[in-house]
Amino acid sequence: EVQLVQSGAEVKKPGESLKISCKGSGYSFTSHWIGWVRQVPGKGLEWMGIIYPGDSDSRSSPSFQGQVTISADKSVSTAYLQWSSLKASDTAMYYCARLGRGFPPGYMDVWGKGTTVTVSS
Amino acid sequence: QSALTQPASVSGSPGQSITISCTGTSSDVGGYNYVSWYQQHPGKAPKVMIYDVSNRPSGVSNRFSGSKSGNTAALTISGLQAEDEADYYCSSYTSSRTLVFGGGSKLTVV
Repeated sequence: EVQLVQSGAEVKKPGESLKISCKGSGYSFTSHWIGWVRQVPGKGLEWMGIIYPGDSDSRSSPSFQGQVTISADKSVSTAYLQWSSLKASDTAMYYCARLGRGFPPGYMDVWGKGTTVTVSS
Repeated sequence: QSALTQPASVSGSPGQSITISCTGTSSDVGGYNYVSWYQQHPGKAPKVMIYDVSNRPSGVSNRFSGSKSGNTAALTISGLQAEDEADYYCSSYTSSRTLVFGGGSKLTVV
């Protein structure tokens, strides 16, 4: 079964760092792009960026460039989303998703269950 | 880049058909046949319903169909069922080599 398993919920203080993970299984991890999507409570989906684990090529939304770091370790079939200094506005659910057939087109065919990140003093 | 424009809400009765629009520009929706649609039930991860404008993944009901004209894409759901009540999001590849989502549409089956 193809699946993406995300790390557990996090509660952090403003200014702290954080790295959440997304582990792929059941398919060739290095052959599909992995994307990250943010969903602020009660709001819509926002595309953050993608990475190709095969060679770590990546693309980021201008809205998130410089705010987060997307990385991958193909040796453990895991993609990561990292913050160096969290803000309260980073409070959201973060989904990782596999891109079904390359980029472009970029549609996401398998999704993780999401990681809730809460940033509060 | 700006989010694609979707109606905030749509509604229909069981058995009816509804259409959700998704309007972009020639730099995204209008420029590529790379529009996808996602269904999201409360508290759940999104699920792809349509990709490449009009293709249905295996397992998705044929009651769901997609189309595009110019800078506007559309998702049509026919034979509405209670289980279709959810949020729906469109997404498109862009000329900046990124993806962009629509603002989302809440479908109510009344």
